[in-house]
Amino acid sequence: GAGVSQSPRYKVAKRGQDVALRCDPISGHVSLFWYQQALGQGPEFLTYFQNEAQLDKSGLPSDRFFAERPEGSVSTLKIQRTQQEDSAVYLCASSSETGGRQPQHFGDGTRLSIL
Amino acid sequence: LAKTTQPISMDSYEGQEVNITCSHNNIATNDYITWYQQFPSQGPRFIIQGYKTKVTNEVASLFIPADRKSSTLSLPRVSLSDTAVYYCLVVLEGNYGQNFVFGPGTRLSVLP
Repeated sequence: GAGVSQSPRYKVAKRGQDVALRCDPISGHVSLFWYQQALGQGPEFLTYFQNEAQLDKSGLPSDRFFAERPEGSVSTLKIQRTQQEDSAVYLCASSSETGGRQPQHFGDGTRLSIL
Repeated sequence: LAKTTQPISMDSYEGQEVNITCSHNNIATNDYITWYQQFPSQGPRFIIQGYKTKVTNEVASLFIPADRKSSTLSLPRVSLSDTAVYYCLVVLEGNYGQNFVFGPGTRLSVLP
């Protein structure tokens, strides 16, 4: 497809389980972003890749969160030992240039629910 | 702490012009201001982007003053389908580098 694709759309996990969320960006886009959106709030930045390099991971809330983009295309956000406060929508976006000079194009997110 | 502010909610009637302002005191020198629209259960959708002065496209206008410490999204002649949450996204200069920061969002309700 032409847009950013995220999978799964919904994920339910028990507290303590590990989860992996996938993002397929728009083909050829250099930059890839992950955001966390809690219910009723704006998206909050987690991490940013330029090609395969993770340039900024300052928004990752703890060392249980890990993101990778090994070939500069598909990205995976992994959360280990999930906690209830990890429940949120995780949004992925890609952009054709670095930084904020071109619009970010978003997927519809993965809604994660931790029981 | 770098942050942005927006009105929490706005009401309007069909056919009216709506202006939503985002304040961003510490914006990065060379980066753009972007506005998004979000419907429930969907990702944010790009509306318009600008650096300074005025930008217009087929759906909206964006006004940015010279100091770039705020920006105003203008939606002409809104319709019921414009009911959504609107976010500004800016790159702010933080203590440890640049930060991609969304505003808290403005919930626009368009009434018939």
